[in-house]
Amino acid sequence: QQQVKQSPQSLIVQKGGISIINCAYENTAFDYFPWYQQFPGKGPALLIAIRPDVSEKKEGRFTISFNKSAKQFSLHIMDSQPGDSATYFCAAILYGQNFVFGPGTRLSVLP
Amino acid sequence: ETGVTQTPRHLVMGMTNKKSLKCEQHLGHNAMYWYKQSAKKPLELMFVYNFKEQTENNSVPSRFSPECPNSSHLFLHLHTLQPEDSALYLCASSLGASTYGYTFGSGTRLTVV
Repeated sequence: QQQVKQSPQSLIVQKGGISIINCAYENTAFDYFPWYQQFPGKGPALLIAIRPDVSEKKEGRFTISFNKSAKQFSLHIMDSQPGDSATYFCAAILYGQNFVFGPGTRLSVLP
Repeated sequence: ETGVTQTPRHLVMGMTNKKSLKCEQHLGHNAMYWYKQSAKKPLELMFVYNFKEQTENNSVPSRFSPECPNSSHLFLHLHTLQPEDSALYLCASSLGASTYGYTFGSGTRLTVV
């Protein structure tokens, strides 16, 4: 019940395309859902996050879509750029407990 | 710089060696964490420290020994490691234990030969 499933494992997108990464969770008590971006040789960095009382959050080219009834959330990267090539992790947390991370998606954006 | 600094960035050690990883944060956070990151696996939480006290040990083998002398510094002492311990070891910090805002360091790439 503490798992967060993430797909796809890897994703190749052409420059200017839309990248979509999906995550699913079981524990309905989770109250915060962040996405982390990790470049090679760096640690994960917070990209964008959402709370379950909101269905969508947008920051620049990055959007989280949240479906509470389906227990799913996704990251959309619009107008994908080669500089977006990185590994993306979704996560879920219940305040007072530890983060639960997905296994990651390696995104490659071709020039 | 993310505010969380880890040293060394790379470490190669033999199975009989003893080495230490260091983590330092200048964010005023009170909680610090060690994570292990292996290829194609979720981040594995190893240890949690809150106000210098260890609050969680996720069944980590005793060949990994953490130390937290104060809220700004965290060490991971390594001895008699196995090749399967080769991974990226990440340190993170947050304002309080299990709060929302994690900040990660860049990690130490450990290779056990």
